[in-house]
Amino acid sequence: NAGVTQTPKFQVLKTGQSMTLQCAQDMNHNSMYWYRQDPGMGLRLIYYSASEGTTDKGEVPNGYNVSRLNKREFSLRLESAAPSQTSVYFCASVEVLYTEAFFGQGTRLTVV
Amino acid sequence: QKEVEQNSGPLSVPEGAIASLNCTYSDRGSQSFFWYRQYSGKSPELIMSIYSNGDKEDGRFTAQLNKASQYVSLLIRDSQPSDSATYLCAVNMISASERNSGNTPLVFGKGTRLSVIA
Repeated sequence: NAGVTQTPKFQVLKTGQSMTLQCAQDMNHNSMYWYRQDPGMGLRLIYYSASEGTTDKGEVPNGYNVSRLNKREFSLRLESAAPSQTSVYFCASVEVLYTEAFFGQGTRLTVV
Repeated sequence: QKEVEQNSGPLSVPEGAIASLNCTYSDRGSQSFFWYRQYSGKSPELIMSIYSNGDKEDGRFTAQLNKASQYVSLLIRDSQPSDSATYLCAVNMISASERNSGNTPLVFGKGTRLSVIA
């Protein structure tokens, strides 16, 4: 039972390049989240998906798009990467309303 | 603006002492509250969840919730050097419309860095 799996673990992009961060969970959870974590800023919510077929903006959605491909997978896309998007990205899933989130191992992204 | 506030620290305590971590939140309608521990370079891991006013104990950890004061805390008894980490408070900040729609953003504080000195 892998839990929440993120790919890739590390990535370096040049300014203006695009990429998609992948997240998959095998726990049959309903909700999935994308966060970014910067030094001293805690975890900031980018986008979330309460259930398959729905997505909503979080606190810092600008520059990102998401797709809830099915119940298992929730991807985050950077269309034109900027240095300000250098961060550690975490995907998380939640089984049902009010319960705890389980996190993937994170993706360390550097935009140069 | 939905907010979860924590003192960023660092909070330094001697080994064997009690560490007290505090968190306040802005949404009075919040229903669930969590404490996560995050070691440097790792992902957050759940320490405690609490849903009702009062205390909840699990080993050396006690979570305390006061919904009237919009305050949640974490006590770590007999602190060990291995407890040195950043502790994140998380709250399900749910408005009435979000509750009806099933949308439930989990909002995190910035975290408190704890250092236990041997």
